Amino acid sequence: NAGVMQNPRHLVRRRGQEARLRCSPMKGHSHVYWYRQLPEEGLKFMVYLQKENIIDESGMPKERFSAEFPKEGPSILRIQQVVRGDSAAYFCASSPVQRPNYGYTFGSGTRLTVV
Amino acid sequence: KNEVEQSPQNLTAQEGEFITINCSYSVGISALHWLQQHPGGGIVSLFMLSSGKKKHGRLIATINIQEKHSSLHITASHPRDSAVYICAFSTGTASKLTFGTGTRLQVTL
Repeated sequence: NAGVMQNPRHLVRRRGQEARLRCSPMKGHSHVYWYRQLPEEGLKFMVYLQKENIIDESGMPKERFSAEFPKEGPSILRIQQVVRGDSAAYFCASSPVQRPNYGYTFGSGTRLTVV
Repeated sequence: KNEVEQSPQNLTAQEGEFITINCSYSVGISALHWLQQHPGGGIVSLFMLSSGKKKHGRLIATINIQEKHSSLHITASHPRDSAVYICAFSTGTASKLTFGTGTRLQVTL
């Protein structure tokens, strides 16, 4: 039973390119959360999705960022026209229900570097 | 002011020492989480608690809801415990986590 799988582990993009980060939740988990960790800063919530629905996107930057969690396949965090300030570690977490009794399972993260 | 504060920010201990990391929060919460992050690594969920105390191996987490305070204790610390320990909370109306800035622990031989 694999855990939360994120890929790629490391991603390098030039300024202006698009970045696509993938998150496959644990089997049986239908709730996905994306968090961002900027260099030397704490983790910050970005977006919470259930299958085919965005439940809470209060942490998403207003422009260039979007997220989806389709009926089939992984959740995708998409960053268009990346800038240097987007360089960060992006973590995905999943849970089987909205407020699990035992916590969340995190992936290993995607480290995005914008050059 | 951050909604969740951790102390200390950095902690160095010798192998075998008893370690305490503190977390204070300022809002009503439904659950308090302790997480571990190794350098360059992923995040591991250690504990989720809403009252009392939980123990797993050498790790103990406690929470005092009235005082809005939680502690993570590590007994008989070991160099492999070296990591960043992060406190986070979820509230009754939202399942997202709000995080502290973490405590960087270094355990030396």
